[in-house]
Amino acid sequence: DQQVKQNSPSLSVQEGRISILNCDYTNSMFDYFLWYKKYPAEGPTFLISISSIKDKNEDGRFTVFLNKSAKHLSLHIVPSQPGDSAVYFCAASARGSGGSNYKLTFGKGTLLTVNP
Amino acid sequence: KAGVTQTPRYLIKTRGQQVTLSCSPISGHRSVSWYQQTPGQGLQFLFEYFSETQRNKGNFPGRFSGRQFSNSRSEMNVSTLELGDSALYLCASSPGQHPETQYFGPGTRLLVL
Repeated sequence: DQQVKQNSPSLSVQEGRISILNCDYTNSMFDYFLWYKKYPAEGPTFLISISSIKDKNEDGRFTVFLNKSAKHLSLHIVPSQPGDSAVYFCAASARGSGGSNYKLTFGKGTLLTVNP
Repeated sequence: KAGVTQTPRYLIKTRGQQVTLSCSPISGHRSVSWYQQTPGQGLQFLFEYFSETQRNKGNFPGRFSGRQFSNSRSEMNVSTLELGDSALYLCASSPGQHPETQYFGPGTRLLVL
């Protein structure tokens, strides 16, 4: 059962435009969400995170929005640059006991291509 | 601060062998987590250690094991390697309290022949 879903395997946008990457989750115990960027054969690089007590967090060109009622979050990149081309992973961690809050559950990723 | 380091970066083994991978966390981080990335399954959680104790474990067979040392460095071991164990193994470190961000190392690419 996939608890974190990224339904778009790929996304292509023009340089300078907005990129919107989406993520849905099913586990209502998730209370911390993160976005990572990953190049092939490298480890994921942390981009931005959001706690469930917020609905928006911004860091430079990156903004993450959280809609708890819809169990949906999105990452906006404005403006998109060719260097943003990579796979983007959504991840979540849960509050709770028994160690459940010490792991990240990842989506399968979305390949973003920003065309010059 | 130096980032998370993993050794070796690349490894080729044959079926039935065993392998040990090493991870050094960011200085001051006490939690180390391990993940396996494969094309079919994506990034999957293996286990997490904090102060030399395993706090959480994913759904992997007992052939996958790990440990953490008093300096927070961690190792994971895979015994009796199978072809399906070929993957990128990623280590991540964090201070150790929820909610928090995990920072990843570059990974170890394991190929089992």
